[in-house]
Amino acid sequence: AQSVAQPEDQVNVAEGNPLTVKCTYSVSGNPYLFWYVQYPNRGLQFLLKYITGDNLVKGSYGFEAEFNKSQTSFHLKKPSALVSDSALYFCAVRDSLSDSNYQLIWGAGTKLIIKP
Amino acid sequence: DAGVTQSPTHLIKTRGQQVTLRCSPISGHKSVSWYQQVLGQGPQFIFQYYEKEERGRGNFPDRFSARQFPNYSSELNVNALLLGDSALYLCASSLESGAYNSPLHFGNGTRLTVT
Repeated sequence: AQSVAQPEDQVNVAEGNPLTVKCTYSVSGNPYLFWYVQYPNRGLQFLLKYITGDNLVKGSYGFEAEFNKSQTSFHLKKPSALVSDSALYFCAVRDSLSDSNYQLIWGAGTKLIIKP
Repeated sequence: DAGVTQSPTHLIKTRGQQVTLRCSPISGHKSVSWYQQVLGQGPQFIFQYYEKEERGRGNFPDRFSARQFPNYSSELNVNALLLGDSALYLCASSLESGAYNSPLHFGNGTRLTVT
């Protein structure tokens, strides 16, 4: 069965420091992986995706993510955090072998707090 | 261009009532998906429509139904509301049917409270 785990409910980082938000997944085939961000009382905004190719994916707002097949991970990273990065971050996956080519499986989310 | 628009933004209903939520996708997007997001959890897939046809249904009871119109807008209907239906309902549109091809663009959601 497909699943996504975000092991940290909350991550606290000082402004200017690097940040990492963790995500691990389980699929039967090849994973298609996504990161989305959600600000209070708003919908989710797409940050980046990994489909195939280079394991390091660059996305919006200076974020990047590293795909690690052996560790089944897709951690979100940013070299220097901004206070405005504070939000709820979701990792999502689709299994290449799934009959449902439209359905994403979502993690529970990680609240990122950047302190000035 | 306007993003995905959802209406209403907030809604309060009582148990047993029926509710209709509306969504207009980004211009040119033919796929609309509906998700339920309970506080503190990730979104749960409810339906996807593409070119006015249902392409997928999540693990939700038959009280939940949806449709897509010729202009690609969509409605989500929930009958016989239960307290547990209280959630943020998100609509997302995309160019293609398959999620791996194009990212989902979400609206700001409709906050449904069932009392």
